[in-house]
Amino acid sequence: AQSVAQPEDQVNVAEGNPLTVKCTYSVSGNPYLFWYVQYPNRGLQFLLKYITGDNLVKGSYGFEAEFNKSQTSFHLKKPSALVSDSALYFCAVREDTGRRALTFGSGTRLQVQP
Amino acid sequence: DARVTQTPRHKVTEMGQEVTMRCQPILGHNTVFWYRQTMMQGLELLAYFRNRAPLDDSGMPKDRFSAEMPDATLATLKIQPSEPRDSAVYFCASGLVLDRRNPSQPQHFGDGTRLSIL
Repeated sequence: AQSVAQPEDQVNVAEGNPLTVKCTYSVSGNPYLFWYVQYPNRGLQFLLKYITGDNLVKGSYGFEAEFNKSQTSFHLKKPSALVSDSALYFCAVREDTGRRALTFGSGTRLQVQP
Repeated sequence: DARVTQTPRHKVTEMGQEVTMRCQPILGHNTVFWYRQTMMQGLELLAYFRNRAPLDDSGMPKDRFSAEMPDATLATLKIQPSEPRDSAVYFCASGLVLDRRNPSQPQHFGDGTRLSIL
């Protein structure tokens, strides 16, 4: 079975400050991990993914995420938040075996204050 | 940029009516997904196709929902009869799965169909 948890419904951060959006996962095998962002009235957009290799993954718009196998986490980070980063962020996981589709988390709303 | 196209973008109809939502996946993609998004339930997977064959539709209420891919350029999601609890935003996404060397390319989402059942 595969599952993903985003423990925070909302994260508030001031513009220019670093941001972290948390994600933990559970899979039977090795994980493939993704972050997506959703702006109002739009579909989800891919930000970054971890398949294998370096634990620190860099993605679009200056975002990065760190894969931590021992803590089964894949937190999304950005060194300096912008007001335009305000959106809904989804973490997703699937196992590296089988033919299952992605399992998405419940989403975390990021609010960046000017 | 190639995009997933969903029609209609908005649909308002009365309870009991048939609703058909359409999706044009990105050309060359071989997987198609249907999701439903609501405030209460978040993002739910309804159906998943690979090479036009349904792989997983366990998330879909079978009595009123049906999903098909008549050809590689069209996926449809139908609700008959519709009920107020079906009101949600329905997203289609497409992706490309080749082999184990390219195990997980990202899904590309359309902008959704906002469905309201009165």
